[in-house]
Amino acid sequence: KQEVTQIPAALSVPEGENLVLNCSFTDSAIYNLQWFRQDPGKGLTSLLLIQSSQREQTSGRLNASLDKSSGRSTLYIAASQPGDSATYLCAVRRSNYQLIWGAGTKLIIKP
Amino acid sequence: GAGVSQTPSNKVTEKGKYVELRCDPISGHTALYWYRQSLGQGPEFLIYFQGTGAADDSGLPNDRFFAVRPEGSVSTLKIQRTERGDSAVYLCASSPSTWTGELFFGEGSRLTVL
Repeated sequence: KQEVTQIPAALSVPEGENLVLNCSFTDSAIYNLQWFRQDPGKGLTSLLLIQSSQREQTSGRLNASLDKSSGRSTLYIAASQPGDSATYLCAVRRSNYQLIWGAGTKLIIKP
Repeated sequence: GAGVSQTPSNKVTEKGKYVELRCDPISGHTALYWYRQSLGQGPEFLIYFQGTGAADDSGLPNDRFFAVRPEGSVSTLKIQRTERGDSAVYLCASSPSTWTGELFFGEGSRLTVL
């Protein structure tokens, strides 16, 4: 059974720091992995989608990596800003259309 | 529309009442998903539509829950005889034709059952 874990559950860092969020999964047979952002009381915003054949994806200050063999993905945020404060969730798609979700990491960027 | 639209954004109802939640996906997206999210948790899969048909409804918790997508665009999630445990945010997402594609979510409908 595929399980997705995000550690830490919460993270607080000063503005301007580079940071890494972690996502691990137990079954390496995945089709893709997607990182989302969720602001309080809001829906989910897609940040990056990495197909199983890819190693990383970049969008602006965000870089997501994927290592299927070790069951890990990281989301790197460069030069963090207070507006980056949100909950970040990763989701893994397996051999069907269902996504298996982590519980998220709540990120707080202190001005 | 430009994004996935969900209505109502908030719904407060009494235990035992009937509720309908609506999702208007991105134009042209054939895949549509319903998820449910409780506080501090990741979304929980409910049902997946490909076109007009429910390709997988295995996530619906019981027969009080039902969803339709009669014309392959707008979908309605229907909950009968609501219970307090149904309180959650109900999220809708759509995706281009292939199921490996990126998911785009609406803002959700927050349901509170008193």
